[in-house]
Amino acid sequence: ETGVTQSPTHLIKTRGQQVTLRCSSQSGHNTVSWYQQALGQGPQFIFQYYREEENGRGNFPPRFSGLQFPNYSSELNVNALELDDSALYLCASSLVLAGVNEQYFGPGTRLTVT
Amino acid sequence: GQNIDQPTEMTATEGAIVQINCTYQTSGFNGLFWYQQHAGEAPTFLSYNVLDGLEEKGRFSSFLSRSKGYSYLLLKELQMKDSASYLCAVKLDYKLSFGAGTTVTVRA
Repeated sequence: ETGVTQSPTHLIKTRGQQVTLRCSSQSGHNTVSWYQQALGQGPQFIFQYYREEENGRGNFPPRFSGLQFPNYSSELNVNALELDDSALYLCASSLVLAGVNEQYFGPGTRLTVT
Repeated sequence: GQNIDQPTEMTATEGAIVQINCTYQTSGFNGLFWYQQHAGEAPTFLSYNVLDGLEEKGRFSSFLSRSKGYSYLLLKELQMKDSASYLCAVKLDYKLSFGAGTTVTVRA
């Protein structure tokens, strides 16, 4: 069973640039959620994708957007980067069934905006 | 907004017991998760409570009281590798709402 993978591991961008982060969900999982974790804080929910459709969104501006592909992998795109976007971006996959719906997290992408 | 509160830091000795408390005031509730996160790594699942009471899983136990909006994670027989951040998260429909995390330092 393959776990959740994310790429790249680290990324440095300049304010105003755009970035795309990628996530491959765990085998058999159909739902992907993205979280932003600032240093010393808990993860903050950005949005979730289920069967290629956005299934819910947190308090993030529209310059945060995403996609889910037929193989359930996902991308997070951030436009017009700001210094405060510097954080660890976590992807979590789950299988939507009755029950726990435990989310499995990937190792994250560390984004630094200068 | 959602309020999920947990202590910022705790220190304990190897072999001891530590209890991490979490209180929550949220607009909904579909269960409470505890995750462990080592520095620079992904959160890993420890426990899930949806009904009141105690769930035991080896050295880790988690308790929930929905009427009090309260949970705790109990770590027994502490080991050095337990030094990490512990995150309390409430499940709200499709998302998890996390507390800021409690950094536990285990000393020899």
